[in-house]
Amino acid sequence: DAGITQSPRHKVTETGTPVTLRCHQTENHRYMYWYRQDPGHGLRLIHYSYGVKDTDKGEVSDGYSVSRSKTEDFLLTLESATSSQTSVYFCAIMEPSGNTIYFGEGSWLTVV
Amino acid sequence: GESVGLHLPTLSVQEGDNSIINCAYSNSASDYFIWYKQESGKGPQFIIDIRSNMDKRQGQRVTVLLNKTVKHLSLQIAATQPGDSAVYFCAENRGSASKIIFGSGTRLSIRP
Repeated sequence: DAGITQSPRHKVTETGTPVTLRCHQTENHRYMYWYRQDPGHGLRLIHYSYGVKDTDKGEVSDGYSVSRSKTEDFLLTLESATSSQTSVYFCAIMEPSGNTIYFGEGSWLTVV
Repeated sequence: GESVGLHLPTLSVQEGDNSIINCAYSNSASDYFIWYKQESGKGPQFIIDIRSNMDKRQGQRVTVLLNKTVKHLSLQIAATQPGDSAVYFCAENRGSASKIIFGSGTRLSIRP
């Protein structure tokens, strides 16, 4: 158990509405990640954080923003959700050695 | 390109037999490799990892083999059980927090 909690686990929202997904960790790890997983594309990095208020973009960051005001929480926001953002979103943390990342259980988001 | 879900290669194995799942990686500079198991509706779960200066590592019922000459990684599961049914994918860590590359995955199904 990597001590990662994602919320909400499932959400249906309408196009154009803002959505925030939360990732909470209990292990005080420095690095946290947001990935999305889609058929045909596998796991793709959206944004990651290397400390409080320190974030950087991944390969599919357009349409997403993140914030990390506390070590334990990493928020992913879709400012104006689109149908192309229907996906499964996974939060992950990197263990201190810097070698392996561990995933949360996922947040299923449907944009209608 | 990567593909998951309906387009995943599938390995069908008789219960009790050994399973061998293969993965090719692309970057000879990768220094760490990880295998994950993902069950339906869940997040990827860490199975085993191996550093690039090793060629074999064993865990409980699993063995990872690394062949750097041909950039090939394999996961062997001994005495496959119904609970081993899942998608398995490898990942390579290229030495940077943002450079973890995931493979496309293989779906393992177990025949009774």
